[in-house]
Amino acid sequence: AQSVTQLGSHVSVSEGALVLLRCNYSSSVPPYLFWYVQYPNQGLQLLLKYTSAATLVKGINGFEAEFKKSETSFHLTKPSAHMSDAAEYFCAVSDNYGQNFVFGPGTRLSVLP
Amino acid sequence: GAGVSQTPSNKVTEKGKYVELRCDPISGHTALYWYRQSLGQGPEFLIYFQGTGAADDSGLPNDRFFAVRPEGSVSTLKIQRTERGDSAVYLCASSLTIQDTQYFGPGTRLTVL
Repeated sequence: AQSVTQLGSHVSVSEGALVLLRCNYSSSVPPYLFWYVQYPNQGLQLLLKYTSAATLVKGINGFEAEFKKSETSFHLTKPSAHMSDAAEYFCAVSDNYGQNFVFGPGTRLSVLP
Repeated sequence: GAGVSQTPSNKVTEKGKYVELRCDPISGHTALYWYRQSLGQGPEFLIYFQGTGAADDSGLPNDRFFAVRPEGSVSTLKIQRTERGDSAVYLCASSLTIQDTQYFGPGTRLTVL
């Protein structure tokens, strides 16, 4: 069975500062890993995904995440926060068949001027 | 192209009533998923379809919940004898195949009074 934890339900950063959102997973099989973003009153949008190719995955809007098997982590980063990055971010895991899809509880990112 | 659409966007009902929530997936997507998102939590898997058949319904909380996808396209999530605890946003997603990226609809906000 898969599970996901996201450390920090709310993270605040200043505009231009580094964004780091943490995700740790548990999986009994090689995982697929995902980051989704949810803007207010909008549907979930895929930022990036890891499917056992390169461990450093680049996504949309300047975000990237690194799969670290030894740490069972898939943290999301962005070098410089923009006001438009304020949203809820969800990490998710599935097995390598795309089944047993499990979301984490989410981290709300606030960007301060 | 058209994304995943869900109707209605909001549904208010009384305890004990029956409700139907509709999902129109992206044309040609064979996999369709239903999730439930309670306030402040990540989406929780309910059921997914591969074509017309429910491939995994292990997330349905009890037998008051049922979903169909009779022609392998549109799906309806049905909830009988609604309870206040059923209040949540119900999300639908579709993907080309089970191993492809899931695209989410905007959700239906269900409120049970």
